[in-house]
Amino acid sequence: NAGVTQTPKFRVLKTGQSMTLLCAQDMNHEYMYWYRQDPGMGLRLIHYSVGEGTTAKGEVPDGYNVSRLKKQNFLLGLESAAPSQTSVYFCASSYPPTGPEAFFGQGTRLTVV
Amino acid sequence: AQKITQTQPGMFVQEKEAVTLDCTYDTSDQSYGLFWYKQPSSGEMIFLIYQGSYDEQNATEGRYSLNFQKARKSANLVISASQLGDSAMYFCAALIQGAQKLVFGQGTRLTINP
Repeated sequence: NAGVTQTPKFRVLKTGQSMTLLCAQDMNHEYMYWYRQDPGMGLRLIHYSVGEGTTAKGEVPDGYNVSRLKKQNFLLGLESAAPSQTSVYFCASSYPPTGPEAFFGQGTRLTVV
Repeated sequence: AQKITQTQPGMFVQEKEAVTLDCTYDTSDQSYGLFWYKQPSSGEMIFLIYQGSYDEQNATEGRYSLNFQKARKSANLVISASQLGDSAMYFCAALIQGAQKLVFGQGTRLTINP
């Protein structure tokens, strides 16, 4: 059981570069989420999706875009990276057919220099 | 907008003592779910316990229990007989059915002293 897999695990970007983070889940979940976690802080919701082809903004969406073309994949894009986007990014998925809890990926540590 | 508040940035507890981590939430929805997650220093997010807004009984999972007080909008986590391995960050979260998004509090860093 792979669960939720994030690619890549680490990345260093230069200011202004673009990149895409991939989240893949094999649990047939409808809901998927992208969060960022800054040192000593909680998880802040960037964007989320409640089904294939749908996306919605979370608490801190600026500077990010997302796509959910396939049910199992949720992509997070940074079009022009900024140092303020240095963070650990977590993807999660939930509901149904497993229980109510969200399953998390292992995180992606992104540094923008 | 939904908001989750954890007022204790850090807690220090002696091993084998019980500890209560506070969480309050703010929503006008009637249907929601409350969660607690543990994040050890290795960084992964570990699900601990869940409480549905319509559940009449407080949820329990082994040494973890959730003290759910709906009228006060609080969902405190109680860890009984704490162990050194309980040292971690603990996050409270809520899934509001109407908004269908999962939001987290700021977290509490729990340190268990031997």
